[in-house]
Amino acid sequence: GNSVTQMEGPVTLSEEAFLTINCTYTATGYPSLFWYVQYPGEGLQLLLKATKADDKGSNKGFEATYRKETTSFHLEKGSVQVSDSAVYFCALSDRGGSYIPTFGRGTSLIVHP
Amino acid sequence: DGGITQSPKYLFRKEGQNVTLSCEQNLNHDAMYWYRQDPGQGLRLIYYSQIVNDFQKGDIAEGYSVSREKKESFPLTVTSAQKNPTAFYLCASQTGPDSPLHFGNGTRLTVT
Repeated sequence: GNSVTQMEGPVTLSEEAFLTINCTYTATGYPSLFWYVQYPGEGLQLLLKATKADDKGSNKGFEATYRKETTSFHLEKGSVQVSDSAVYFCALSDRGGSYIPTFGRGTSLIVHP
Repeated sequence: DGGITQSPKYLFRKEGQNVTLSCEQNLNHDAMYWYRQDPGQGLRLIYYSQIVNDFQKGDIAEGYSVSREKKESFPLTVTSAQKNPTAFYLCASQTGPDSPLHFGNGTRLTVT
């Protein structure tokens, strides 16, 4: 079956630090990959996506590259802000199998001033 | 503006009572989902529906029921059989197999 594994949090950083949140996946078909962000008390919002190998998704300074050879989709940002504090979820939808989305457990990011 | 509306935002019930959470979307999406989120936990799939008048159990369907009589609406009933119903409930919709999910802002249910 499909699965998504994210690094455990919380990740605690100072403002302007570099961020990496690791995400690896297993899938039986040809997945599209997503990062979602959840702010306290809210639903999830799509942050970025990539639909095929070597695609780079980017949004609001965040980036992630679809690496088929390492089955990874790590989230990066060069300089985090306090407002980036949230929970980040990696997810996949598998067009070749069941397209029910599969989510990682989420990684909490805390950014201090 | 198109989106998903969940209501109410907060819901309080006594143990032994059934309660229905509303989820409405005007995105014209075929697929809709219900997830449960507990503190520090990821998302767990309760039920999903890929087309009107059809729905399937997810990973934790026991103690829950749904209906999908209209494309726009996918209400979730938390029954008295659900052993630990206090949680944050999220509804989502999706237009196709590799498209992202659109989420509502959730309903926080507290049962005492």
